Amino acid sequence: GAGVSQSPSNKVTEKGKDVELRCDPISGHTALYWYRQSLGQGLEFLIYFQGNSAPDKSGLPSDRFSAERTGGSVSTLTIQRTQQEDSAVYLCASSLELGGKAFFGQGTRLTVV
Amino acid sequence: GESVGLHLPTLSVQEGDNSIINCAYSNSASDYFIWYKQESGKGPQFIIDIRSNMDKRQGQRVTVLLNKTVKHLSLQIAATQPGDSAVYFCAERLYGGATNKLIFGTGTLLAVQP
Repeated sequence: GAGVSQSPSNKVTEKGKDVELRCDPISGHTALYWYRQSLGQGLEFLIYFQGNSAPDKSGLPSDRFSAERTGGSVSTLTIQRTQQEDSAVYLCASSLELGGKAFFGQGTRLTVV
Repeated sequence: GESVGLHLPTLSVQEGDNSIINCAYSNSASDYFIWYKQESGKGPQFIIDIRSNMDKRQGQRVTVLLNKTVKHLSLQIAATQPGDSAVYFCAERLYGGATNKLIFGTGTLLAVQP
């Protein structure tokens, strides 16, 4: 596509429910990144993919968070048993090559009530 | 965007003035740096980048300066316009081995007064 696309743009969920956030990177981009941005904060790195593999999962906040990427394209970030502190904007970015210029999507605003 | 909040450093300038936004980065091994602009409700937008083998790079109305000695980046915006109002983030790349991530600063809110 023309840019990085994320869905849904907004998600309100009840505490304890699972959520899935989707990212469609720019076509042909091999690297994909997930970040989290809380209100008034900077961007916190979560995970990146090179192709379908995730060499660095160190940024995932807990084992309730997981991510996968299939076909070297679409990625899904899953949060299980959501907590109120998970409320944030989740941003996805992609780059043509590993470590290159990264372009961001519009984000998914997650609110856990 | 979500990053706009009471705790962000703020730079207030008059329309038409030049703006300078500063950033201190943390890792001397970082080899690539990017400035992003984030408007309210949007994702960060790429502005300009610079590699560590350069100390200056110019774009359209923007210039990035890199001082590796003191680990400092700056973004200069010429003839600032109301549309430049946003939060600006610098990012440094940590790249090598299993690590490949952009580490972001906390951001600076640029407020352009008409």
